[in-house]
Amino acid sequence: SQTIHQWPATLVQPVGSPLSLECTVEGTSNPNLYWYRQAAGRGLQLLFYSVGIGQISSEVPQNLSASRPQDRQFILSSKKLLLSDSGFYLCAWSATASPGQYFGPGTRLTVT
Amino acid sequence: SQQGEEDPQALSIQEGENATMNCSYKTSINNLQWYRQNSGRGLVHLILIRSNEREKHSGRLRVTLDTSKKSSSLLITASRAADTASYFCATGRSSYKLIFGSGTRLLVRP
Repeated sequence: SQTIHQWPATLVQPVGSPLSLECTVEGTSNPNLYWYRQAAGRGLQLLFYSVGIGQISSEVPQNLSASRPQDRQFILSSKKLLLSDSGFYLCAWSATASPGQYFGPGTRLTVT
Repeated sequence: SQQGEEDPQALSIQEGENATMNCSYKTSINNLQWYRQNSGRGLVHLILIRSNEREKHSGRLRVTLDTSKKSSSLLITASRAADTASYFCATGRSSYKLIFGSGTRLLVRP
């Protein structure tokens, strides 16, 4: 069966520091991968999606970037965090031929 | 802007009652999905209904879709305390991009 991992679970970082969040998927090949951010009590905002290695589409101009160095690995990064980057970050995957998405446990990021 | 908007924003019911949540969207879609999120956790995919379907069932869940009104409803029958969560609709126009609404917070009182 497929599983999706995200780490770390929680992170507290000072303004101006770098960020690297990692997501890996097991049990499937060539998944579509997604990064979302969720503000407190709100819906999900799609940040990036990827349909293959090295293929990244950005949905919202921001202080973040994403990379997909391997088929089942998706990384969210920032060179310098802003206070507004605080939130709950969720990684998800979907099969190429199926629109349903499957989410990881999320990373709670607090920028201080 | 959000494609899907859920209504109500919050719902409190007694265990055993039915819970109905609605979702409205603005543009044409390929499919509509419902997800559940327990507090502080990731989302769980509940059910998907395609644009050419009108109703779908899964266990205690019933989803309807009215493309002429650009709306969907999620019915949870015989609710349980464990159904307490936030519920989100998400609309898909392509095979891989979804746009999520802001969610309905459901509280099922024991």
